Amino acid sequence: DTEVTQTPKHLVMGMTNKKSLKCEQHMGHRAMYWYKQKAKKPPELMFVYSYEKLSINESVPSRFSPECPNSSLLNLHLHALQPEDSALYLCASSQGRGFAETQYFGPGTRLLVL
Amino acid sequence: AQKITQTQPGMFVQEKEAVTLDCTYDTSDQSYGLFWYKQPSSGEMIFLIYQGSYDEQNATEGRYSLNFQKARKSANLVISASQLGDSAMYFCAMIGGATNKLIFGTGTLLAVQP
Repeated sequence: DTEVTQTPKHLVMGMTNKKSLKCEQHMGHRAMYWYKQKAKKPPELMFVYSYEKLSINESVPSRFSPECPNSSLLNLHLHALQPEDSALYLCASSQGRGFAETQYFGPGTRLLVL
Repeated sequence: AQKITQTQPGMFVQEKEAVTLDCTYDTSDQSYGLFWYKQPSSGEMIFLIYQGSYDEQNATEGRYSLNFQKARKSANLVISASQLGDSAMYFCAMIGGATNKLIFGTGTLLAVQP
């Protein structure tokens, strides 16, 4: 089973709202990732959690706040977003034991900021 | 620095024919992994095939095969017997060295015609 689930599928929020994106995997993977993908562009890495610790933050604005409550769950808390933050947000996971491991992606959350 | 180049923004192929999607890469790492992902219009990033830098044989997964030419730093994806459901964006990606950062190319949009 290589399933990564994400909720919600779609999200519309105003610039003053606070919302959260959720990601879950039950493959025993120890690395989890958040990517942002704008239309007609490749995904861009935002954050990496390895063994529940934040290991990479790609200089993401503080209005995006990741959280890894346990090895199966990854959240992305959103606050005071801008319209340019509208994008597809993809979560992924991998085993976390070495390089060049396959990352398995969830279906994504399409975010629209008004 | 690592880089992935996909020079074909869009491709057409007739149903049941084979198609090759080009990918070249650049890295100074000796150990790296190369990946192909498929992204339908629904947005989910679907893992297709993996090739490790030390693998001597080309990877194959069903109708997908990866034509790995290490000296030329190319990792082309070959899809045999194209189906209408193969219409999607295809991304070539790599992870190099000790990092688990997945670097994507710009993608190739494949359209399969009946």
